[in-house]
Amino acid sequence: GDSVTQMEGPVTLSEEAFLTINCTYTATGYPSLFWYVQYPGEGLQLLLKATKADDKGSNKGFEATYRKETTSFHLEKGSVQVSDSAVYFCALSTGFQKLVFGTGTRLLVSP
Amino acid sequence: KAGVTQTPRYLIKTRGQQVTLSCSPISGHRSVSWYQQTPGQGLQFLFEYFSETQRNKGNFPGRFSGRQFSNSRSEMNVSTLELGDSALYLCASSLEAGQDTEAFFGQGTRLTVV
Repeated sequence: GDSVTQMEGPVTLSEEAFLTINCTYTATGYPSLFWYVQYPGEGLQLLLKATKADDKGSNKGFEATYRKETTSFHLEKGSVQVSDSAVYFCALSTGFQKLVFGTGTRLLVSP
Repeated sequence: KAGVTQTPRYLIKTRGQQVTLSCSPISGHRSVSWYQQTPGQGLQFLFEYFSETQRNKGNFPGRFSGRQFSNSRSEMNVSTLELGDSALYLCASSLEAGQDTEAFFGQGTRLTVV
C-alpha cells in the first residue's frame, strides 16, 4: 500500500540555521505530495504542495521538490526562526481526499 | 471566512459508551474527511464523504461510522468505546474531492476513554 517515511525527530536547530527534513514515499500511480505543519494545540495547516514530477512547492521560505526518480519530497528552509517550531508532516494523496501521512518530525528552534 | 469547526473540543467517556463528534466544514466545501491522530499510530485516515456519500474508508473496525448531511456538515460516531480509541480526531474539508485539492483541518476533538 501507499506509505510515507520521514526522518525521526526532534530536529533541534539554532535560529538562522539551515533546515532539511527528509521524506520519501511509496505509491501506486502518481501521487500528489504535501507538507503540513501542526502548531501546538492546533489542527494541521497546508505548508506547500506539488502535484507532478519536478514541481517545486514553496511557501513562507520553505521549499520542496517532487523527485520521482528518488521518490522523495524533502523539505528545506534556508534560515529558520523560533516561530517555525512545530511538527511537520509529509503526506501523499492518490485519489479523492485520502491523505497518507508520515509520522511527523518535531522541529525545535532556539534563539 | 470561518474555518472548519469541530465540536466538542474535549470529551471524556467511559469504556463501552458511544460518542458522536461533529464537524462543520468551510462554507461551500463539499468534501469532508476524518482522521485519527495518536502518538503510536500517527495520523490515520478514517473516511471521506462527498455530497452525502462515503467515497473512501480506512482500515478501522465497524464501530467507527460517519455520515454527512445535505448542508455538508458531518458527524462521526464511535460505539462501544475502547481505551485505545483515545485520540485526537481531526476533520478536514475541501472544495473538491481531487487528489491535489488542499484540505483544511479543524482543531480537532480530543477524546479520552477511561
